[in-house]
Amino acid sequence: GIQVEQSPPDLILQEGANSTLRCNFSDSVNNLQWFHQNPWGQLINLFYIPSGTKQNGRLSATTVATERYSLLYISSSQTTDSGVYFCAVIRDDKIIFGKGTRLHILP
Amino acid sequence: DVKVTQSSRYLVKRTGEKVFLECVQDMDHENMFWYRQDPGLGLRLIYFSYDVKMKEKGDIPEGYSVSREKKERFSLILESASTNQTSMYLCASSLVGGGAEQYFGPGTRLTVT
Repeated sequence: GIQVEQSPPDLILQEGANSTLRCNFSDSVNNLQWFHQNPWGQLINLFYIPSGTKQNGRLSATTVATERYSLLYISSSQTTDSGVYFCAVIRDDKIIFGKGTRLHILP
Repeated sequence: DVKVTQSSRYLVKRTGEKVFLECVQDMDHENMFWYRQDPGLGLRLIYFSYDVKMKEKGDIPEGYSVSREKKERFSLILESASTNQTSMYLCASSLVGGGAEQYFGPGTRLTVT
């Protein structure tokens, strides 16, 4: 099956710093999503991005489907950005998650 | 906005009990999914459904069954709960069509004692 690898697994940053999270996938996919899992466990949709670049406030994402990777950028981090960020690829209506990047923003 | 709701945020059940987890979506989505999330194992697909009364096994269906009598509602059933079913359970929905965006509910944290 398709493998989804995220890096780094853990990241600790000071408030105000920028970060880049990476997602590599092993085969062609129909689509790709980025999620933020909040401390209560809910998965919040951040981006639905099969290719190209999208921006939403301080967050942006870029997917290069031909090279099978996606990047999530967080600028000017805030403590509320803490949590686990998941990349997930979608193929034939099935979604395959990476293991996530745990981000901890220090005040 | 798509809304996916789950019947309970926290649930505590005893070994051997029959447990029902309910999921409702309000966007007329054809697809609905049940996952469990465990530390170190990530999210794993239990069952999914493409239409009313239709179900397909996911990666870890053993010990679970599902029911979809109405398009908006997808139920996960633990026939006889066991301690190894203690987990976070997440429901999701999407439109049909190879790659549609999935939307998740808030999750149910189930503890089986």
